[in-house]
Amino acid sequence: DSGVTQTPKHLITATGQRVTLRCSPRSGDLSVYWYQQSLDQGLQFLIQYYNGEERAKGNILERFSAQQFPDLHSELNLSSLELGDSALYFCASSAITGTSGAGEQFFGPGTRLTVL
Amino acid sequence: AQSVSQHNHHVILSEAASLELGCNYSYGGTVNLFWYVQYPGQHLQLLLKYFSGDPLVKGIKGFEAEFIKSKFSFNLRKPSVQWSDTAEYFCAVMGWSSASKIIFGSGTRLSIRP
Repeated sequence: DSGVTQTPKHLITATGQRVTLRCSPRSGDLSVYWYQQSLDQGLQFLIQYYNGEERAKGNILERFSAQQFPDLHSELNLSSLELGDSALYFCASSAITGTSGAGEQFFGPGTRLTVL
Repeated sequence: AQSVSQHNHHVILSEAASLELGCNYSYGGTVNLFWYVQYPGQHLQLLLKYFSGDPLVKGIKGFEAEFIKSKFSFNLRKPSVQWSDTAEYFCAVMGWSSASKIIFGSGTRLSIRP
């Protein structure tokens, strides 16, 4: 158990819909990262938040957005869903960023999204 | 452009064989390097990491990796693999600046024949 929790574990929805994935980082971790893992694209970094502020952006679509709340939990919002958005979405957290030692991340169990 | 290359997409070995998985990166500046492992049906877990100092780092479960700065490489090794090492292995790099984003390689699937 990494200490990172994600809900829900599974999500099945239809094209065009909007969903929200939730992540709670390890106690004390200020950074939260979101990833998408699919068979054809592999592991793709989406976005990082640090203490409530967006820190780095990866291959995140405009239909996707995220935020980190004052209690440090984060939500990933996916809208206008397409079949190709079906994937495993991981959240990870880390204690520090931008210094030696940064980048060691603890991953949650993931949310499996199926778009029908 | 910043990138991480894992040239072996799928490696198949017998138990007790030695393992070396390649990882090369392209990244300007000082970096932190990582190997993560993803066992079937599970999330990623940190296997080992390099921040600074001794370029030969030892991780969990008998794995080690060597950082060769001149070759921009961080290859993963294990002298004798076990069936339980069957998993996908990801190399990752992250810079030291506050705006650095972590970059993962495409992964290497390791299958161990019992």
